[in-house]
Amino acid sequence: AQSVAQPEDQVNVAEGNPLTVKCTYSVSGNPYLFWYVQYPNRGLQFLLKYITGDNLVKGSYGFEAEFNKSQTSFHLKKPSALVSDSALYFCAVRDGSARQLTFGSGTQLTVLP
Amino acid sequence: DGGITQSPKYLFRKEGQNVTLSCEQNLNHDAMYWYRQDPGQGLRLIYYSQIVNDFQKGDIAEGYSVSREKKESFPLTVTSAQKNPTAFYLCASSMLERDRKAFFGQGTRLTVV
Repeated sequence: AQSVAQPEDQVNVAEGNPLTVKCTYSVSGNPYLFWYVQYPNRGLQFLLKYITGDNLVKGSYGFEAEFNKSQTSFHLKKPSALVSDSALYFCAVRDGSARQLTFGSGTQLTVLP
Repeated sequence: DGGITQSPKYLFRKEGQNVTLSCEQNLNHDAMYWYRQDPGQGLRLIYYSQIVNDFQKGDIAEGYSVSREKKESFPLTVTSAQKNPTAFYLCASSMLERDRKAFFGQGTRLTVV
């Protein structure tokens, strides 16, 4: 079975500071990892994905994520946060045998001006 | 524009009624999914379909039904057997390959009155 954990329900960061949103996963075999963002009362928007290759993945809006196989983590990062980055962020995983994505519980990011 | 459309955006249901949520995509995706979102619980999979006239139960299928008569359409019926239907419902679609991202609709907020 595949699973995802987002240990922080809420992350607060000051504008201009770096941000990190944490994600750990559990799968059998190689993972396919995704980050999505959700604004209030909207659907999810894709940010980035890790399939294979470089452990640092770059995505939309200046976000990046670091894949760490030994720690089974896929943390989302951004060097300098913007107020407009405030949203709900979801990590998701699909293993080599699954057709569906499994999502974490989400992390509410608030960037303070 | 290509995309995935959910309707209606808001839906009110009286207790004991069945209601159907619409999901249409013009992305030529084979796979379609229904998720339920509750505060603090992330997205939970209700049903998914990989091909026309076939679908599988997800983690919380009880009280829900679906059909996939056309590739473009994957309607979800919330039946009277669903005891706590008030939630935000998200439809998604993707190609079948496991490294492909999912595209989400804008969601339907269902409220029982």
